[in-house]
Amino acid sequence: GDSVTQMEGPVTLSEEAFLTINCTYTATGYPSLFWYVQYPGEGLQLLLKATKADDKGSNKGFEATYRKETTSFHLEKGSVQVSDSAVYFCALRDYGSSNTGKLIFGQGTTLQVKP
Amino acid sequence: SQTIHQWPATLVQPVGSPLSLECTVEGTSNPNLYWYRQAAGRGLQLLFYSVGIGQISSEVPQNLSASRPQDRQFILSSKKLLLSDSGFYLCAWSVRGTGEAFFGQGTRLTVV
Repeated sequence: GDSVTQMEGPVTLSEEAFLTINCTYTATGYPSLFWYVQYPGEGLQLLLKATKADDKGSNKGFEATYRKETTSFHLEKGSVQVSDSAVYFCALRDYGSSNTGKLIFGQGTTLQVKP
Repeated sequence: SQTIHQWPATLVQPVGSPLSLECTVEGTSNPNLYWYRQAAGRGLQLLFYSVGIGQISSEVPQNLSASRPQDRQFILSSKKLLLSDSGFYLCAWSVRGTGEAFFGQGTRLTVV
């Protein structure tokens, strides 16, 4: 079945460092891909998305490019801030779930940014 | 604008007691609704989803059940809680045909 694999955390960075969180997926068909962020004690918020190959999603300085050839959707940010400390989830919705909208999530990667 | 309300925010319940978590959505009609569970240090597991009133699909066998008595109301229940039911429960909704889901603030359930 479809699945999402993220790099294990926690990832600890200093402020203004470059961030990469790896995400790869397995899916039949042509999934849509998402990154969600969860701040401590809160629900999830959509960070960015891409719906087809070579699309780049971006928001709040974060970017991710849908790479069909490597089945990846890595999250990047050029300069992280302490306020970016959170758990980041990669997710996919496969084409067959267009009516149900079911999302399959990776296990989440905790990011800690130190001043 | 659309909003999702989920309550309570935290709950401590003894083993064997019943459970009822409620989720309501405002500002949209006929949403898809979801219950996810996030166990400590783990990812999100889809428990139930619903594409309409009275239509519930279960993703994993478990001690929980879900109901959708109204278009924008989704309830997660249990007759007798187990220790393993502890976790962070998230309700979410989406517009049919899209993948973008909007999440509630979550309920932290501790079964003691």
